[in-house]
Amino acid sequence: DAGVIQSPRHEVTEMGQEVTLRCKPISGHNSLFWYRQTMMRGLELLIYFNNNVPIDDSGMPEDRFSAKMPNASFSTLKIQPSEPRDSAVYFCASSLRHFYEQYFGPGTRLTVT
Amino acid sequence: QKEVEQDPGPLSVPEGAIVSLNCTYSNSAFQYFMWYRQYSRKGPELLMYTYSSGNKEDGRFTAQVDKSSKYISLFIRDSQPSDSATYLCAMATNTGNQFYFGTGTSLTVIP
Repeated sequence: DAGVIQSPRHEVTEMGQEVTLRCKPISGHNSLFWYRQTMMRGLELLIYFNNNVPIDDSGMPEDRFSAKMPNASFSTLKIQPSEPRDSAVYFCASSLRHFYEQYFGPGTRLTVT
Repeated sequence: QKEVEQDPGPLSVPEGAIVSLNCTYSNSAFQYFMWYRQYSRKGPELLMYTYSSGNKEDGRFTAQVDKSSKYISLFIRDSQPSDSATYLCAMATNTGNQFYFGTGTSLTVIP
């Protein structure tokens, strides 16, 4: 069975540009999480969905960040406009029964110049 | 004060050594305690979890929770080079509405 799929794996963009990160959770999983990981702050939960509905977006740093989950097999995280301090690795994770048993994707390494 | 504190290391040990990784926390409402392992350029993967207090063993790995001290540990026996990775602790309340990761401890096991 395929794991969590994220695309692109690497993204380099200039400040001010719009960035869209994509995630396909494991089939059948009903919860989806977006994280950001940096050396300084570690792994931070940005938002999570349950049955496609956003449950908690308190971790979204600013209005420049938005996330959607139009169906059970697809989610996007958008940053508009992007800034250099958004440079990080963004992970998507999904879970089935237990929120603590999350399966992570390989991440998208974002660099904003 | 951070919800979860974890020494970033790095920690370097010879093969076969016993490794001890630790985290402290401040929120007494945490009931779930997890350890994730993250290899370089990969996503974290769940190693083991513990509910409330006590110990849990899985092969060479043992997780301990001391709620009175707000301190959790992961022990790795007979460490192997393949254990070289970053280990992240994570904690959550019963409902999961508060879920935090530590910043991770980098471990290298030298053959």
